[in-house]
Amino acid sequence: KNQVEQSPQSLIILEGKNCTLQCNYTVSPFSNLRWYKQDTGRGPVSLTIMTFSENTKSNGRYTATLDADTKQSSLHITASQLSDSASYICVVVMNTGFQKLVFGTGTRLLVSP
Amino acid sequence: KAGVTQTPRYLIKTRGQQVTLSCSPISGHRSVSWYQQTPGQGLQFLFEYFSETQRNKGNFPGQFSGRQFSNSRSEMNVSTLELGDSALYLCASSPPGLAGLQETQYFGPGTRLLVL
Repeated sequence: KNQVEQSPQSLIILEGKNCTLQCNYTVSPFSNLRWYKQDTGRGPVSLTIMTFSENTKSNGRYTATLDADTKQSSLHITASQLSDSASYICVVVMNTGFQKLVFGTGTRLLVSP
Repeated sequence: KAGVTQTPRYLIKTRGQQVTLSCSPISGHRSVSWYQQTPGQGLQFLFEYFSETQRNKGNFPGQFSGRQFSNSRSEMNVSTLELGDSALYLCASSPPGLAGLQETQYFGPGTRLLVL
């Protein structure tokens, strides 16, 4: 079954600290993996997109990694800020003729002052 | 450049009614995708339109349909609403480029639909 699992489900960290969010997937055939940030009450915002051949991609303080062999990805947030408080969603795109997206249920991050 | 806009932002309907939601993509974007987001199921992909044709489709039943116009604006229709259709419906557009869902998607603010 094609699934994307994220951990932890929720996380509280102090402002200025680093954190790492995990995404494990069993999706096949793989096309690309995306991380989104979604603030409460707003649409998701794309952070990174990684294809099979990419294993690291950065967007400011956000760094995503991809291990296509173990089917794992992580999102590392450096020097967290209060504005990082949001849900982070991992999405894997399949390519089976039609392209389909399989979504993780997200990690809810709260950055505390 | 203006972002993706969705109308209406909030909507209340009763079970059995029909509803149409509208999405205007970023100027120059030709791909429009629709998603449903609920607390229990998270984000789920409905379908993607490109140049007025449905290019990709998720696993939703037939009462969910969409279309895209020549100006890339898109509509999503639910023909017979059920209580479980209460959700945030998000639309996203992508710039021209690689085929399919390879490009960065830009999401609108969503339409929050409540079915009573």
